[in-house]
Amino acid sequence: SQTIHQWPATLVQPVGSPLSLECTVEGTSNPNLYWYRQAAGRGLQLLFYSVGIGQISSEVPQNLSASRPQDRQFILSSKKLLLSDSGFYLCAWSSGGSGTQYFGPGTRLTVL
Amino acid sequence: QKEVEQDPGPLSVPEGAIVSLNCTYSNSAFQYFMWYRQYSRKGPELLMYTYSSGNKEDGRFTAQVDKSSKYISLFIRDSQPSDSATYLCAMSGTGNQFYFGTGTSLTVIP
Repeated sequence: SQTIHQWPATLVQPVGSPLSLECTVEGTSNPNLYWYRQAAGRGLQLLFYSVGIGQISSEVPQNLSASRPQDRQFILSSKKLLLSDSGFYLCAWSSGGSGTQYFGPGTRLTVL
Repeated sequence: QKEVEQDPGPLSVPEGAIVSLNCTYSNSAFQYFMWYRQYSRKGPELLMYTYSSGNKEDGRFTAQVDKSSKYISLFIRDSQPSDSATYLCAMSGTGNQFYFGTGTSLTVIP
C-alpha cells in the first residue's frame, strides 16, 4: 500500500531564517506531487505541483520554492521566512489520471 | 466566482442524527468528486470518491453527485461523536489539479 511521510511535524522558526520541508511517498512510482498551505479557517491553497523529477509548476508567486530531486521526494524551501509563511503545510500525491489525491500528516509552521 | 463553493458551517447535531453536507461547483469538466475528513491538526483523509454522476455508499456514508445541477452531497447516517471533524469536498477533471471547498466544520454532540 502507498504511504506518504512529511517531516518535521512541527516547526518554529524566526523571521528571516531558511526553511526546508520534506515529503516522501512509498509504494508507488511516478506520482504527481503537490504542496498546499492551509491557513486557519481557510481552504487549501495550492503552492506547487510536480508531474516528474525536476518538473515544478508554481501556482502562487512568493518567497517559497519547491524541488523534486527524486521520483518520490518533494521538498519545499525558503531562503528567508516571512511572518505570513506561518500555516499548515500539506504534501499530497496522486496517480496521473486517477482522479484521487492522498495527503500526508502535515507540517505546522510558526514563524515568529 | 469560485470553482467550488462549500458552506463553512459550523454545523452542530445530536448523536444519531443524519448529517447532510453539500458543495456546488461551476466547471462542467469536473469528473472526479471526493470527500475528505480532516481532524484538528491532521492531514485530510480521503473518505469517499465518486466518478461522474450517481450515488456511492460505504457504511454510514453516502456520496451523491448530480452533474446536471453541479451539486454534490455527503450524507452521514447515525452520526457519532467521532465524526466531529471538518469535511472538505474536492473535484478534478482531466488535468493534474484538484479544486477544494473551504470545508464544513461538524460537531456531533453526545
